[in-house]
Amino acid sequence: AQSVTQLGSHVSVSEGALVLLRCNYSSSVPPYLFWYVQYPNQGLQLLLKYTTGATLVKGINGFEAEFKKSETSFHLTKPSAHMSDAAEYFCAASFMNSGYSTLTFGKGTMLLVSP
Amino acid sequence: GAGVSQSPSNKVTEKGKDVELRCDPISGHTALYWYRQRLGQGLEFLIYFQGNSAPDKSGLPSDRFSAERTGESVSTLTIQRTQQEDSAVYLCASSTGQGSVLSGELFFGEGSRLTVL
Repeated sequence: AQSVTQLGSHVSVSEGALVLLRCNYSSSVPPYLFWYVQYPNQGLQLLLKYTTGATLVKGINGFEAEFKKSETSFHLTKPSAHMSDAAEYFCAASFMNSGYSTLTFGKGTMLLVSP
Repeated sequence: GAGVSQSPSNKVTEKGKDVELRCDPISGHTALYWYRQRLGQGLEFLIYFQGNSAPDKSGLPSDRFSAERTGESVSTLTIQRTQQEDSAVYLCASSTGQGSVLSGELFFGEGSRLTVL
């Protein structure tokens, strides 16, 4: 079955530390991959996406993610966490289904940033 | 505004009542999606519209849930005889939906928070 798995419902880092949020997908055909962020009381907004081409993609606010087909992964990283990065992050994949596609989301990872 | 608009932003209802949630997508977006986000859980796909047809209703949890869309515009999600387990944030998103493959991004509304007492 096609699915998206995010390892860890909560990740805590100190301000200035590396952020690593893990995402793996399950699919026989590599999907398009996305990371969304949800700040408190706001809608989801796109951080970055991988469709084709370069496997290392850069997004807003200094985040980047690397698509690794051999590992079926699309982990999100940021070299130095900022307090304003505290939010919930969702990995998503676009799977084909009967000629059309929908986004399947992981369960989300809450990023907590401490001073 | 230019974004996806949802109403109401908050709805408290009694068990057994019917509720309607509305979504105004971004103008020109042909694809529209409804998701449900329950406390502590990820986004659960409910239904997808391409224009005013719904090729994928597989996520609707029960026959108490229905949705419709007028042309490439407003969509309404209706929940009949609400139950406490229906309490969640209902998110709507729209997309250009190029061709049959989603290569564009989804633009989300801020959601409608439903509380069933």
